[in-house]
Amino acid sequence: QKEVEQNSGPLSVPEGAIASLNCTYSDRGSQSFFWYRQYSGKSPELIMSIYSNGDKEDGRFTAQLNKASQYVSLLIRDSQPSDSATYLCAVKDGNQFYFGTGTSLTVIP
Amino acid sequence: KAGVTQTPRYLIKTRGQQVTLSCSPISGHRSVSWYQQTPGQGLQFLFEYFSETQRNKGNFPGRFSGRQFSNSRSEMNVSTLELGDSALYLCASTSRTGGFNEQFFGPGTRLTVL
Repeated sequence: QKEVEQNSGPLSVPEGAIASLNCTYSDRGSQSFFWYRQYSGKSPELIMSIYSNGDKEDGRFTAQLNKASQYVSLLIRDSQPSDSATYLCAVKDGNQFYFGTGTSLTVIP
Repeated sequence: KAGVTQTPRYLIKTRGQQVTLSCSPISGHRSVSWYQQTPGQGLQFLFEYFSETQRNKGNFPGRFSGRQFSNSRSEMNVSTLELGDSALYLCASTSRTGGFNEQFFGPGTRLTVL
């Protein structure tokens, strides 16, 4: 059974701070990794994809991947109240996506 | 490009009834996956279809079934509804860009079983 683990939180950060979200996965052979944002009552929205070791930046978001440690993280710089949501980590293996249970983030104004 | 669409958005049924949910993927996407999301269990994978064939199946009872049509539209059916089937049902379609796949979700169908 492939597992994707995240701290459920809640994680609270003040506005303007860096939010750090972490995810570990069990299958060393996994090649594709994703972060989704899900607002309460809405469906998940893809915000980042990462396939190679290292960092990938997109605006205020940076995804970091370390395949040797089976670890992927998401940094949100200059956090805004609108970033308050649940963040889901997903790992693709074969044709199937495996999701963590999500980390709830609250950005305090 | 239009996103993934799902109908209906909300549904109320009673125990024992059956329900059919519909999903239209993003144009050009041939893979469609279905998930059940509940507060306690998170996102649970139901099944995945590609070119009208079920490629993967999660650990759900046979009351949950699906199919995909030649235009990639998909339906899922739940028979003999139980209270525990109340959930947000999400459809996602998968693209292949630059050798990698990305999955995009529809707005979901919120099913309430009374």
